Amino acid sequence: EVQLVESGGGLVQPGGSLRLSCAASGFTFSTYAMSWVRQAPGKGLEWVSPISGSGTSTYYADSVKGRFTISRDNSKNTLYLQMNSLRVEDTAVYYCAKVSSSSWRGYFDYWGQGTLVTVSS
Amino acid sequence: EIVLTQSPGTLSLSPGERATLSCRASQSVSSSYLGWYQQKPGQAPRLLIYGASSRATGIPDRFSGSGSGTDFTLTISSLEPEDFAVYYCQQYGSSPPTFGQGTKLETK
Repeated sequence: EVQLVESGGGLVQPGGSLRLSCAASGFTFSTYAMSWVRQAPGKGLEWVSPISGSGTSTYYADSVKGRFTISRDNSKNTLYLQMNSLRVEDTAVYYCAKVSSSSWRGYFDYWGQGTLVTVSS
Repeated sequence: EIVLTQSPGTLSLSPGERATLSCRASQSVSSSYLGWYQQKPGQAPRLLIYGASSRATGIPDRFSGSGSGTDFTLTISSLEPEDFAVYYCQQYGSSPPTFGQGTKLETK
């Protein structure tokens, strides 16, 4: 059974940093791309960043480019999102999602339960 | 960036009725790389349909997807009480992947 468990969310002041983690199990982690998708309170889904199965290819939404860094440790079956220079508009539930392929070009077939990031003074 | 526009914004129907949800793309979606997701309050999204018309594992056959190019449809043939939720379409053929704004399916 595929399981994705996020952690690391919380309350942070504008300009601060947080590191999210997503522990994966139930599939061969290194074979698949992974992605972060976020959802602001009462809003729709926004793709944030994917990373290829090997970790060599990454992409970022314009809204987070230069501030967020996605990475993965295939030996630990864990996905990360380092978030710096956080803004109020980054407040959202952040979901970890498994991509159906080894590259970003795939659908999200499994999702974690999400972790809430609140950016506020 | 491909913009996906879903309609209607809210659909009010009764259990047993047929639901038809639309997703229109601003440009052609390559290779029908379009998916549909269901999200209930407080839960993560769940994949329903991929490749425009293929049902995901464990999805009941009352859910079906169709369309190509710029026009796609999710149909629920006979609504069950658990189907009332928000539905999102997503294209993953062009970078960046994008989601529609969602259709809320509510009980009439």
